[in-house]
Amino acid sequence: EVQLVESGGGLVQPGGSLTLSCAASGFTFSIYPMTWVRQAPGKGLEWVSSISSGSGGTKNYADSVKGRFTISRDNSKGTLALQMNSLRAEDTAVYYCAKYLAGATRAFDSWGQGTLVTVSS
Amino acid sequence: DIQLTQSPSFLSASVGDRVTITCRASQGISSYLAWYQQKPGKAPKLLIYPASTLQSGVPSRFSGGGSGTEFTLTISSLQPEDFATYYCQQVNSIPLAFGGGTKVEIK
Repeated sequence: EVQLVESGGGLVQPGGSLTLSCAASGFTFSIYPMTWVRQAPGKGLEWVSSISSGSGGTKNYADSVKGRFTISRDNSKGTLALQMNSLRAEDTAVYYCAKYLAGATRAFDSWGQGTLVTVSS
Repeated sequence: DIQLTQSPSFLSASVGDRVTITCRASQGISSYLAWYQQKPGKAPKLLIYPASTLQSGVPSRFSGGGSGTEFTLTISSLQPEDFATYYCQQVNSIPLAFGGGTKVEIK
């Protein structure tokens, strides 16, 4: 059974940093691209960032986080990370990690339960 | 960037009703569209990808259609467990984008 478990969320001041982690199990982590999607309170889904399979050499970011967030993966540990710097109030959201559906596609077939990031003074 | 517009944003319906949600893309995306269901406090669940292919385990009352710029998600006979928010997502190109969502509530 595929399992994705996010951690690392919490309260942080504007301008601060936080690193989210996602522990994956139940599938061959290294062969799947992975992604982060967020959802502000009461709002819709927003794609944040994706990383390719294998070495993770291809990384993509939403314009809203480009230059501030960095996605990475550690295949030996089966973990996905999102380093978030220069956080703003508008980054407040539940952050989900998700696994890409098999095949050359960008749909997400497995999601974690999410971790809440609150940016506030 | 490709934008997705979902309609309606809110839908009130009764058990047994047939409901249809529309998703329009700002430019053609072939069949590179996914549909998700999200219940309160839960992660989204992939229902359909590509535009008309049901994922494993999804009830057959759900169906997807369309290609290019206009897509539909239809629930043929609404069940109590279907009351949720539904999102479309274009997976044609980066940046990936979701529609604004359609909340389906009990009438």
